[in-house]
Amino acid sequence: AQSVTQPDARVTVSEGASLQLRCKYSYSGTPYLFWYVQYPRQGLQLLLKYYSGDPVVQGVNGFEAEFIKSNSSFHLRKASVHWSDSAVYFCAVSYNYAQGLTFGLGTRVSVFP
Amino acid sequence: DAGVTQTPRHEVAEKGQTIILKCEPVSGHNDLFWYRQTKIQGLELLSYFRSKSLMEDGGAFKDRFKAEMLNSSFSTLKIQPTEPKDSAVYLCASSLQGGTEVFFGKGTRLTVV
Repeated sequence: AQSVTQPDARVTVSEGASLQLRCKYSYSGTPYLFWYVQYPRQGLQLLLKYYSGDPVVQGVNGFEAEFIKSNSSFHLRKASVHWSDSAVYFCAVSYNYAQGLTFGLGTRVSVFP
Repeated sequence: DAGVTQTPRHEVAEKGQTIILKCEPVSGHNDLFWYRQTKIQGLELLSYFRSKSLMEDGGAFKDRFKAEMLNSSFSTLKIQPTEPKDSAVYLCASSLQGGTEVFFGKGTRLTVV
């Protein structure tokens, strides 16, 4: 069975600082990988996805993620965060596109001025 | 631009009651998902439909949870009877068959007292 681990439940950063959120997955093949963001009282919104090709993928709002197969990781990064980036971020994997997404428990990001 | 619509946004039920949550997927989407979201367990897949056919019924949730897709534009999730441990946010999501992005509704927050 596939699983996703997000080791950091909470991250606090200052506005303008860089951000990295960690994600590791357990799956024997190469999965489809996703990062979602959830703002308060909202559903999840897709930030970016990886299927194949260039291991560094660009997403919305300046986010990017890097797939490192040897480490089974898909970490999310942003060079300079804004207070509006405060939210919960979920890493997810799937065998086959959107079918049966498996999510990590999420990382709550708080950005302080 | 209508996304995934879930009603009601909030529901309070007494233990033992039957509740029905509703979802309208994005028009034209063939895949529909129901997830339960809690802080402890994160997002758990309850049901997955493809073109109105049930593809996955979430195993552990079979006994009191029943999702139906009455037509391509409407789905319900019935919980019968409710228990306090069912208190959670229930998310509905949809995507194009084999699509690359899953769209989530804002969820229904259920409180069982």
